[in-house]
Amino acid sequence: EAGVAQSPRYKIIEKRQSVAFWCNPISGHATLYWYQQILGQGPKLLIQFQNNGVVDDSQLPKDRFSAERLKGVDSTLKIQPAKLEDSAVYLCASSWSVSTNEKLFFGSGTQLSVL
Amino acid sequence: DAKTTQPNSMESNEEEPVHLPCNHSTISGTDYIHWYRQLPSQGPEYVIHGLTSNVNNRMASLAIAEDRKSSTLILHRATLRDAAVYYCILRDVLGDMRFGAGTRLTVKP
Repeated sequence: EAGVAQSPRYKIIEKRQSVAFWCNPISGHATLYWYQQILGQGPKLLIQFQNNGVVDDSQLPKDRFSAERLKGVDSTLKIQPAKLEDSAVYLCASSWSVSTNEKLFFGSGTQLSVL
Repeated sequence: DAKTTQPNSMESNEEEPVHLPCNHSTISGTDYIHWYRQLPSQGPEYVIHGLTSNVNNRMASLAIAEDRKSSTLILHRATLRDAAVYYCILRDVLGDMRFGAGTRLTVKP
């Protein structure tokens, strides 16, 4: 089966600019996650979707970050405006459901550099 | 915040077994214990998961303490390709998957 697709692979922007990342989960996966991974740290959960509804966005900086999952399939994460500290790898993951017994499948991530 | 505690780093010799510990003293009865690993420049990949009983798959074994407050990931014969950061995560009924800092495993030839 095809894996989780993310694009772009790399992105370089200047601070105060806007940027968007795209994720296409594995077909049929209802649950989708966005993570931020700063160099040297573990992935930090930003937002979790179940179909097109938000389950948890408690760690999403809502003043500048937004995410949507229209039609419950692919998803977009946006940063507007970007700050230097947003430089990180943004990972998308999906699973069949929220069940505790389901495993996550991760994409390769988008590496963002904010100059 | 992560609900697990792991050592920052561990070393192993190639072809020897490796035991990676994880403490999760606040685990609830319905939480599954998941292990993922992350190779350099890649997204995390699933290794193994379990609830109460010990689990085995082609990649590793998972030993879960009787009180479920700790677990150990066992790599039976470490190879250079096993060098990665290993994450122990509790998955709750809402599907929450919060990573900690993980254990960086170094495998020496």
